[in-house]
Amino acid sequence: DQQVKQNSPSLSVQEGRISILNCDYTNSMFDYFLWYKKYPAEGPTFLISISSIKDKNEDGRFTVFLNKSAKHLSLHIVPSQPGDSAVYFCAATGGATNKLIFGTGTLLAVQP
Amino acid sequence: DAGITQSPRHKVTETGTPVTLRCHQTENHRYMYWYRQDPGHGLRLIHYSYGVKDTDKGEVSDGYSVSRSKTEDFLLTLESATSSQTSVYFCAISGTGGYSSTDTQYFGPGTRLTVL
Repeated sequence: DQQVKQNSPSLSVQEGRISILNCDYTNSMFDYFLWYKKYPAEGPTFLISISSIKDKNEDGRFTVFLNKSAKHLSLHIVPSQPGDSAVYFCAATGGATNKLIFGTGTLLAVQP
Repeated sequence: DAGITQSPRHKVTETGTPVTLRCHQTENHRYMYWYRQDPGHGLRLIHYSYGVKDTDKGEVSDGYSVSRSKTEDFLLTLESATSSQTSVYFCAISGTGGYSSTDTQYFGPGTRLTVL
């Protein structure tokens, strides 16, 4: 049972435009959410996170939005740059576990 | 970057052979984790450690064992490798096991394991 879902395996956007990556979760006990970015042949790196007490967190070009009622979060990248091309993993934790539960990832390609 | 190294970075082995992967950290972090990454599954936790000699299972622990005799080293062993264990393995560390914008899991570069 996939508790964290990223339904879009891939996304292609033009440089300078907005990239929106989506993530859905099923466990209502999750209270902390993270996004990791992964380049080929490297380990994932932490990008941005959000607590369930907030509905938005911004860090430079990256903003994460949380809609608790819909159990949905999204990562916005504005403006998108070619160096943003990577796999993005959504992760969640909370409730009975302090472990991270990851989604399957979305491959973002930013076209010059 | 957090000081995490994994060895070997690549390994090809045959079914039935034992394999040990090593994770080494220089951050003195208490928590260490082993994940595997597979297409269509994302990252899945195999085992984790919350201190020297303290380990626990993750969601895909069957066929794997771990040991942590020193703070800086966390070993993952496949006692008898199978083709289903072909994967990319990542080690991660964290300071408190909790989560915040400044305390999260930091990942190593990965080990690509192929079991023929």
